[in-house]
Order: sequence, then structure tokens, then C-alpha cells
Amino acid sequence: GAGVSQTPSNKVTEKGKYVELRCDPISGHTALYWYRQSLGQGPEFLIYFQGTGAADDSGLPNDRFFAVRPEGSVSTLKIQRTERGDSAVYLCASSPLSWGGMFDEQFFGPGTRLTVL
Amino acid sequence: AQSVTQPDIHITVSEGASLELRCNYSYGATPYLFWYVQSPGQGLQLLLKYFSGDTLVQGIKGFEAEFKRSQSSFNLRKPSVHWSDAAEYFCAVGVGNTPLVFGKGTRLSVIA
Repeated sequence: GAGVSQTPSNKVTEKGKYVELRCDPISGHTALYWYRQSLGQGPEFLIYFQGTGAADDSGLPNDRFFAVRPEGSVSTLKIQRTERGDSAVYLCASSPLSWGGMFDEQFFGPGTRLTVL
Repeated sequence: AQSVTQPDIHITVSEGASLELRCNYSYGATPYLFWYVQSPGQGLQLLLKYFSGDTLVQGIKGFEAEFKRSQSSFNLRKPSVHWSDAAEYFCAVGVGNTPLVFGKGTRLSVIA
């Protein structure tokens, strides 16, 4: 595909359940980012991958949140024991990671809207 | 603490009028600066960025932004707004190798 894709586009779950959100980055992009965007807020950084490894996970709010990128392409954000406060749009972005490091242009997907009832 | 402020939550302009969206930051060092646009159902799209050099930066869709170090600002401008410019605009700032910090956004409405 031409851009970053995220599935599902919408996810409704019940408090306490486990969810997985998937991100397919642009082919060949080394860097992958996850953000969370709450209503009326800008995107908030969660985690950043270079290849398969998490280069910076300082934005993960607690140990219920975890992300993987086992083959350096697709990434999955996993949320355990979901809470109502986890409701937000989860955005994924990728970048080629040439010279600019974390400040290469990031190409964003359309997001997954998570609603926890 | 490092912060990014977009003072205007919502702006309405007439089609064809000029536009300026404000962005102020609070950082110890000169940061990297970005403007993104988010349309409903779409991902964020980069409009322009400033790393160094000329403080007036040209972007896509006819937008430009000016970095003013003395005012810690990076305001976005467009001389003539089109109805298709209606969207949410985000300023983002980064320093060193730390993650980008986004402002809360400014929603732009365009009226005929």
C-alpha cells in the first residue's frame, strides 16, 4: 500500500478486556511510532521503534501498555485490562529514518478509535 | 518543563481571507519545529518543518511559517484561505533526540 494503514479503524471493548491494535507502516520505513490522541488534545508520544527494537518507550503510561515489532515491519500495540481512560484515537506513524533521526518526516496512519465501555 | 502552546482553540475565517495560526514553545535550546494538518478521518500530514537556516519556511498547499527566536514562536500563515483548508492544525516541537511534543491544536473553519 501507499501509506500507513491501521486496523481496526474502530474498536469497542469492555472495561478489563485485552485489545490489540495493528499498524502496517510504509514499506521500507525503519522507524515506527505510536501516539495516543485524546479528545481535544494533540497526539501524545507512546513509543518509538528503530527496526525491531523499542528505542524509546518513555511515553507508555503504565505496564498495561506494550508494543512489539518482531520483524521490523508490522507493529502491534497491546493494552491489557483496559480502562475507560484508555479511550482515545491511537495513531501510528512511520519514517525512513535517514539523517534526521526522530525528526525525519513522519507519515501518519488514519488511527484506531478505541472506546472502552 | 518543555511545552507547546497553541493559544487559539478555534478560528473561523472567510474564504479568500488571510490566515495566521499561532504557536509558542518553551524549550531551553533551539528546537525543531513542525506544522501538521489533520482532516476528519485522515492521518496527520506534514505541512512544513524548520530545522535551521532561513527562518521563513515554505510548505505545501501554499502555507508558510516563520521562526522567531526572540518570541519563541513559529506561526503558520496563508495569504488566501480555501474552503478545503478547513481542518485541525497542530504545531509540534522536538529537541535533540527526544520525542515530538504536539500542541493541542487549532480547529480552522472556513466560511463562504
